[in-house]
Amino acid sequence: DIQMTQSPSSLSASAGDRVTITCRAGRSINIYLNWYQQKPGKAPNLLIYAASNLQSGVPSRFSGSGSGTDFTLTINSLHPEDFATYYCQQSYSTPYTFGQGTKLEIK
Amino acid sequence: EVQLVETGGGLIQPGGSLRVSCVASGFIVSSNYMSWVRQAPGKGLEWVSLIYSDGSTYYADSVKGRFTISRDNSKNTLYLQMNSMRVEDTAVYYCVRESRWFRAPSYYYYMDVWGKGTTVTVSS
Repeated sequence: DIQMTQSPSSLSASAGDRVTITCRAGRSINIYLNWYQQKPGKAPNLLIYAASNLQSGVPSRFSGSGSGTDFTLTINSLHPEDFATYYCQQSYSTPYTFGQGTKLEIK
Repeated sequence: EVQLVETGGGLIQPGGSLRVSCVASGFIVSSNYMSWVRQAPGKGLEWVSLIYSDGSTYYADSVKGRFTISRDNSKNTLYLQMNSMRVEDTAVYYCVRESRWFRAPSYYYYMDVWGKGTTVTVSS
């Protein structure tokens, strides 16, 4: 199985800040890496697919980069609605695996 | 509107069986890869099972031999049959559509449509 490790596990920031979340794969996964946002009591929502492609309808302040084993999700100028938990997920091979999540909280 | 609606969750005793269903609208289940993803209370996301458009199926080790994914094309519905259930199967179960993006020479898959989830509780 491919282990996915996110850092940090939690993060405090203020509206207007720029934040970066990192995801590391246990072995190379090319760009088979997706990012999701989840708010309490809700289903996850796709943000970024194939490492850097912005899903339709997702604000442009979200961006992704990376390939191989190291990936980042960047949120420019945080909005109040961005405070949530973020997960990376590899679709390189089954079993698909998710990172443990990064909880983004208001400072 | 593209939508997934899960039903069938509930309270079940350890060792029991339960089938959850997922009705799709706005697209054809059998033409897509479809997955089940679960989330235990207060925990992260865990992929459970996948069915390809050609009918091939895949499972997480934690459920292999106990859970079965299937679909009914006439009802445009995805199922997850859960047998020999354990306390650790307690979770919200999400039905998920996978879409794909092509950049030569590969297709890249991602989970773009999620249901609201159905809650399964395994407890005596």
